[in-house]
Amino acid sequence: DTEVTQTPKHLVMGMTNKKSLKCEQHMGHRAMYWYKQKAKKPPELMFVYSYEKLSINESVPSRFSPECPNSSLLNLHLHALQPEDSALYLCASSQVLGNGYTFGSGTRLTVV
Amino acid sequence: AQKITQTQPGMFVQEKEAVTLDCTYDTSDPSYGLFWYKQPSSGEMIFLIYQGSYDQQNATEGRYSLNFQKARKSANLVISASQLGDSAMYFCAMREDLLLIQGAQKLVFGQGTRLTINP
Repeated sequence: DTEVTQTPKHLVMGMTNKKSLKCEQHMGHRAMYWYKQKAKKPPELMFVYSYEKLSINESVPSRFSPECPNSSLLNLHLHALQPEDSALYLCASSQVLGNGYTFGSGTRLTVV
Repeated sequence: AQKITQTQPGMFVQEKEAVTLDCTYDTSDPSYGLFWYKQPSSGEMIFLIYQGSYDQQNATEGRYSLNFQKARKSANLVISASQLGDSAMYFCAMREDLLLIQGAQKLVFGQGTRLTINP
């Protein structure tokens, strides 16, 4: 299994809603990441988990809350988002220092 | 800080022609890795090819090859015999090792090149 699976593929939510994005990998990778990508821009790193511990938070607002329940799963909990948070959210995982850096297909989020 | 530069915002190529997408990078680290990804309009980020800074030979993966010129700090992607399905956004990225965190890497991306293959 060489995939990173993200669900849902599309999500529309109101500014008062609470929702979660899910990411799963079974490649034995011990680092997992959330990236945010705005239209016509490159992805930007949000969070890094290494060995199930949050290692990096790139100054992301608290309305985004990551969670890593185990080595295969990564969640991103969303609450009270703003319309400018509408973007493609990409999950990725990697092995220890090498060329194995795999992205999921992304969740396209629209905040209304 | 590491930086990736892709100077071609868009490229238009005839089907079956070869195409070269430019990428230059800047880093002071002796050990680094360079990736190319393809992103179709569906949004998924598809891994194409990887080059490590200590690799002696240029990387190749099927129709994709990486023209790695270390002294010039360039890592251009070459696609041979282009196909209509190659139309997509292409990103060059550099691995930034998060040394304080065992086993984690950050990718720094260029701005991307939108490739359009014409029939």
